[in-house]
Amino acid sequence: EIVLTQSPATLSLSPGERATLSCRASQSIARYLAWYQQKPGQAPRLLIYDASNRATGIPARFSGSGSGTDFTLTITDLEPEDFAVYYCQQRGNWPPLTFGGGTKVEIK
Amino acid sequence: EMQLVESGGGLAQPAGSLRLSCAASGFALTDYQMNWVRQAPGKGLEWVSYISSSSGTLHYADSVKGRFSISRDNAKNSLYLQMNSLRAEDTAVYYCARLMRYCSGGNCYFRDYFDLWGQGTLVTVSS
Repeated sequence: EIVLTQSPATLSLSPGERATLSCRASQSIARYLAWYQQKPGQAPRLLIYDASNRATGIPARFSGSGSGTDFTLTITDLEPEDFAVYYCQQRGNWPPLTFGGGTKVEIK
Repeated sequence: EMQLVESGGGLAQPAGSLRLSCAASGFALTDYQMNWVRQAPGKGLEWVSYISSSSGTLHYADSVKGRFSISRDNAKNSLYLQMNSLRAEDTAVYYCARLMRYCSGGNCYFRDYFDLWGQGTLVTVSS
């Protein structure tokens, strides 16, 4: 089973700042990684797939990069609605499909 | 509007059973591979089960294998999860989630990412 480790667990930032979230895989998954955003009481929403492709309707301030075992989600110029929990998910080798533990982006 | 709506959650006794349903609207369920994903209170996401478009391929997380059974009725545009031998650790919000599909040049391809989620249904296992 591929284990995804996200860091940091919590990121405290102000609106307008840049957020950099990390996801590390226990073995190479090429570029088979997605990022999701989840707000309290809501289902997750797909942001990025195949490491760097934005899903439909996702603003350009969200970008993804990486390959192999190290991946990054960057949110430039944080908007108030961006404060949420972010999860990565791999499809490189499954079953099982696995998620990271999440990074909470909170208002400083 | 494409939508998934889960139902069937509630309180169940340990060792008891529950059947979850997921109704799809705005798209043909038969065109998509489907999954159940759960989230324990205050915890992260855990994939539970997968079913192919034709029901020919099924996958389960080790934590539910032998106890849960996924199925679908494409004619009714519905997905199901039969949960038996429930344990306290099965307490979670259960989401049905669709795998991404895109078509190009007359062919359609899947990406194993979840591009549409229901709102979730809470399952609580407690005596």
